[in-house]
Amino acid sequence: GQQLNQSPQSMFIQEGEDVSMNCTSSSIFNTWLWYKQDPGEGPVLLIALYKAGELTSNGRLTAQFGITRKDSFLNISASIPSDVGIYFCAGQTYTGTASKLTFGTGTRLQVTL
Amino acid sequence: DAGVIQSPRHEVTEMGQEVTLRCKPISGHDYLFWYRQTMMRGLELLIYFNNNVPIDDSGMPEDRFSAKMPNASFSTLKIQPSEPRDSAVYFCASSLLGQGHGYTFGSGTRLTVV
Repeated sequence: GQQLNQSPQSMFIQEGEDVSMNCTSSSIFNTWLWYKQDPGEGPVLLIALYKAGELTSNGRLTAQFGITRKDSFLNISASIPSDVGIYFCAGQTYTGTASKLTFGTGTRLQVTL
Repeated sequence: DAGVIQSPRHEVTEMGQEVTLRCKPISGHDYLFWYRQTMMRGLELLIYFNNNVPIDDSGMPEDRFSAKMPNASFSTLKIQPSEPRDSAVYFCASSLLGQGHGYTFGSGTRLTVV
């Protein structure tokens, strides 16, 4: 099935650094979501974006819904060790009778002390 | 709410055996999804249900895979016969109808077929 292109594929950063990752698609989405997956667990929703151009924050996380509706960005400021995990973007299409998420390929984040 | 509950957490089985994975969605959610996650292919949607009715099973890899949702609080994913290439983590997720309602995932079942 279709997947969104997410970059970078992996990142190794030092504690305290800022992180940026993005997601692009050839399709337009109604909603963009960002998930984090900890080892051995399922993905957990971090941020949801509902309008083109929207910028939303959740603590140290900031995400943006691209103007074209075909991309989204996630920034993490002042990273800490518990930020380690895999981050997935997801685009949602909604037609009134169906709701379906398409997931990105994931960005694996490693934080060193 | 206890969230989406999957069982078992881990399953090791021999090739050729039947495997059944179970899921209890969040009460009141009207969508249920089955995903498979591997290093090579990432998160793949296998099938999803709306109000217990299968809507799209185009992601089911082969006839060896089948899924049922006999009621709003229970779903199964069955693999018969299982093969080593079926080894993966299988996630169940549930959601409410409507824009902006993200999915809530279970903790997954790690399946190993030897």
